[in-house]
Amino acid sequence: DTGVSQDPRHKITKRGQNVTFRCDPISEHNRLYWYRQTLGQGPEFLTYFQNEAQLEKSRLLSDRFSAERPKGSFSTLEIQRTEQGDSAMYLCASSLVGLYEQYFGPGTRLTVT
Amino acid sequence: GENVEQHPSTLSVQEGDSAVIKCTYSDSASNYFPWYKQELGKGPQLIIDIRSNVGEKKDQRIAVTLNKTAKHFSLHITETQPEDSAVYFCAAPGAVSGSARQLTFGSGTQLTVLP
Repeated sequence: DTGVSQDPRHKITKRGQNVTFRCDPISEHNRLYWYRQTLGQGPEFLTYFQNEAQLEKSRLLSDRFSAERPKGSFSTLEIQRTEQGDSAMYLCASSLVGLYEQYFGPGTRLTVT
Repeated sequence: GENVEQHPSTLSVQEGDSAVIKCTYSDSASNYFPWYKQELGKGPQLIIDIRSNVGEKKDQRIAVTLNKTAKHFSLHITETQPEDSAVYFCAAPGAVSGSARQLTFGSGTQLTVLP
């Protein structure tokens, strides 16, 4: 029974560089969510997919952020022209349509220097 | 949108004592209330949840109670153990029908169980 996995676990990048994170949801989970968590705060919703369709985006998701789920399985989150304010933990979660429970991965810790 | 407030922000208890964490929410249409436990360097782990058609749910040493009239819900941990030390988050969904989509989280409670 494999849970949600995320890669990489840690990423250090210089301001202005582009970064991409990957999330593999629990097998057969058709909903996939991205959240961002800064130090001392709860996760904040960024966006979610049902299968390959991106159905909701938070206003936190600026135009430097793009997410994809091309085949309805894994998802990628790209941040272009990173800024120091992008430093955070990026969390992925998945669930089944019709069920409330969201299961989180271990997160990707991004540090922008 | 939904607004979730969580108290206290830190809580220290002696091993074996009980711990209670409280949350309030703003949207009366919210109908699902999960609790997550997050250990250092890890993602949030779903530990218990409750739906709006029940007032209390228990799973071994943890329980959650819900008061829809007052719009608050609480996590109760009995017989606390050092491994219960972690940050606990409550959450509530946006007001959508059917299954929850985006969750709004509280700001977290750092629970420390002293041996």
